[in-house]
Amino acid sequence: AAGVIQSPRHLIKEKRETATLKCYPIPRHDTVYWYQQGPGQDPQFLISFYEKMQSDKGSIPDRFSAQQFSDYHSELNMSSLELGDSALYFCASSFTGGGMNEQFFGPGTRLTVL
Amino acid sequence: AQTVTQSQPEMSVQEAETVTLSCTYDTSENNYYLFWYKQPPSRQMILVIRQEAYKQQNATENRFSVNFQKAAKSFSLKISDSQLGDTAMYFCAFMKHVGGGGSQGNLIFGKGTKLSVKP
Repeated sequence: AAGVIQSPRHLIKEKRETATLKCYPIPRHDTVYWYQQGPGQDPQFLISFYEKMQSDKGSIPDRFSAQQFSDYHSELNMSSLELGDSALYFCASSFTGGGMNEQFFGPGTRLTVL
Repeated sequence: AQTVTQSQPEMSVQEAETVTLSCTYDTSENNYYLFWYKQPPSRQMILVIRQEAYKQQNATENRFSVNFQKAAKSFSLKISDSQLGDTAMYFCAFMKHVGGGGSQGNLIFGKGTKLSVKP
């Protein structure tokens, strides 16, 4: 079965640089979620999109923005990177017509800011 | 706001034995979902088991089962016949039910319990 795809899997950036993370949800899934997991921490919700519209917003810094495109893939744009942005970034997708609406996670993008 | 508490930062169990991981949550919602996710050293988030709050019957998935006590707001995970591959961080998670179609709520995670299965 197809899974959530995230690219790149690893990314190294310098402080103040910009990064773009991409997410390709499971086919026919209509909702995408972004989570940030710092070292030794639990995942924290950043933002979500339903049918290409922003549906909910969590603890996402103003330096970050995201969107979902017509083909349902999503991108998380991160500017003015800080050392504290180093984390594992997960994308998850779900299908709202599926009852439980369980979220399936991608493998994550490990971002290191130097 | 909802909160999820996992009071056991670390636990260990001998292979083939049974272990129970605790989770409590706080919410004023009546309709919601609860999940246990497993995160092995690969850092992949894997759904282990799920429970709908309106269902009284405890969910079971092979060697994994839950004890869902809605009034007590407790949702513990029991792993039977523990295997070395069960070694991982386990996260309890809450998701609010959003009715009327459209998007659903995001997951709120506990701090996790690191489980080590010893041979």
